[in-house]
Amino acid sequence: NAGVTQTPKFQVLKTGQSMTLQCAQDMNHNSMYWYRQDPGMGLRLIYYSASEGTTDKGEVPNGYNVSRLNKREFSLRLESAAPSQTSVYFCASSGGQGVTYEQYFGPGTRLTVT
Amino acid sequence: AQSVTQPDIHITVSEGASLELRCNYSYGATPYLFWYVQSPGQGLQLLLKYFSGDTLVQGIKGFEAEFKRSQSSFNLRKPSVHWSDAAEYFCAVGAIVMIYNQGGKLIFGQGTELSVKP
Repeated sequence: NAGVTQTPKFQVLKTGQSMTLQCAQDMNHNSMYWYRQDPGMGLRLIYYSASEGTTDKGEVPNGYNVSRLNKREFSLRLESAAPSQTSVYFCASSGGQGVTYEQYFGPGTRLTVT
Repeated sequence: AQSVTQPDIHITVSEGASLELRCNYSYGATPYLFWYVQSPGQGLQLLLKYFSGDTLVQGIKGFEAEFKRSQSSFNLRKPSVHWSDAAEYFCAVGAIVMIYNQGGKLIFGQGTELSVKP
């Protein structure tokens, strides 16, 4: 039982390049989330998927797109990376049988955009 | 607007001393409250949670937190800090949307970094 996994762990991009961050969970959770973490700002929600087949914007969605590929996987895409997107990105999941309200986090992806 | 405030950005305590990390929230209804811990280079781990009932909740690693509705606070405490407790701690409030078999959105505070002196 790996919990929430994220790939890659580290990535360096040049401005304008694109990339997709992958996230998978094996806890049979219905809801999945993408956050970014910046110093002094806590975690900010980028997008979330309350259930398979649905996605919604969070607090800071500009410059990102998401895909809920199936119940297990939720990817985050940067179409044209900008230096302001340098951050640590976390994927999380929640909502199993009944109401499981707490979120479980992956180890994070450290992204640098030069 | 819903918000979470952790007034202390950084706290240093001596090993063996007691610890209290503050968390204040602004929310329109009964909140669902969480404390998470993040070790350097790691993801977030749930320490404890409050949904309802007893306002003093126990968590992992010897931590506890008390929900005080009148003060809109959910402070985290530990009687005796260990060097391994050095980490960043996040308080979070659960959004009111609560649907069977689904989770809900969380709002996080800015975090408090804890350093432990030997």
